[in-house]
Amino acid sequence: DIQMTQSPSSLSASVGDRVIITCRAGQNIDISLHWYQQKPGKAPKLLIYGASALQSGVPSRFSGSGSGTDFTLTISTLQPEDFATYFCLQTYSLPRTFGQGTTLDIK
Amino acid sequence: EVQLVESGGGLVQPGGSLRLSCAASGFSFGRFWMHWVRQVPGKGLMWISRTNTDGRTTTYADSVRGRFIISRDNAKNTLYLQMNSLRVEDTAVYYCVRDWLAMNDAFDVWGQGTMVTVSS
Repeated sequence: DIQMTQSPSSLSASVGDRVIITCRAGQNIDISLHWYQQKPGKAPKLLIYGASALQSGVPSRFSGSGSGTDFTLTISTLQPEDFATYFCLQTYSLPRTFGQGTTLDIK
Repeated sequence: EVQLVESGGGLVQPGGSLRLSCAASGFSFGRFWMHWVRQVPGKGLMWISRTNTDGRTTTYADSVRGRFIISRDNAKNTLYLQMNSLRVEDTAVYYCVRDWLAMNDAFDVWGQGTMVTVSS
């Protein structure tokens, strides 16, 4: 199984801040890495697919980068609605595996 | 509107069975691989199972293999998860998700989830 290690596990930030979340894969996964946002009581929402492609309808302040084993999700200017939990997912091989999540809360 | 709606969750005793359903609408269901993913409330996500478009190729996580069965009825636009020999540790919210091949197999559409509680 490919282990996905996300960091940090939690993060406090303010509206307007720039935030970076990282995800490291236990082996090369090319660009088969996707980022999700989840709010309490809701299903995850796809933000970024293929490491860097912005899903339709997602604000451009979200961006992704990386390939191989190291990936980042950047939120350029935090908005109030961005406070949530973020997960990465690898689809390079089975079983699909998720990062443990990063909870972003208001400082 | 593209939508997945799960149903069938509930309270079941250890060792019992439950069948989850996921009704798809707004897209050509039979053209997509589909998955089940679960999440213990307040915890992370875990992939459970996958089926190809015609239901003939299925894959499972080690923790559910031999107990859970994924299936689909493309005529009814519905995905199923038959869960047998349930354990306390199977307690979670269960999501059905769509696999978008063109997006490197990203899970692009999620249902709202259905809660399964295994407890005596």
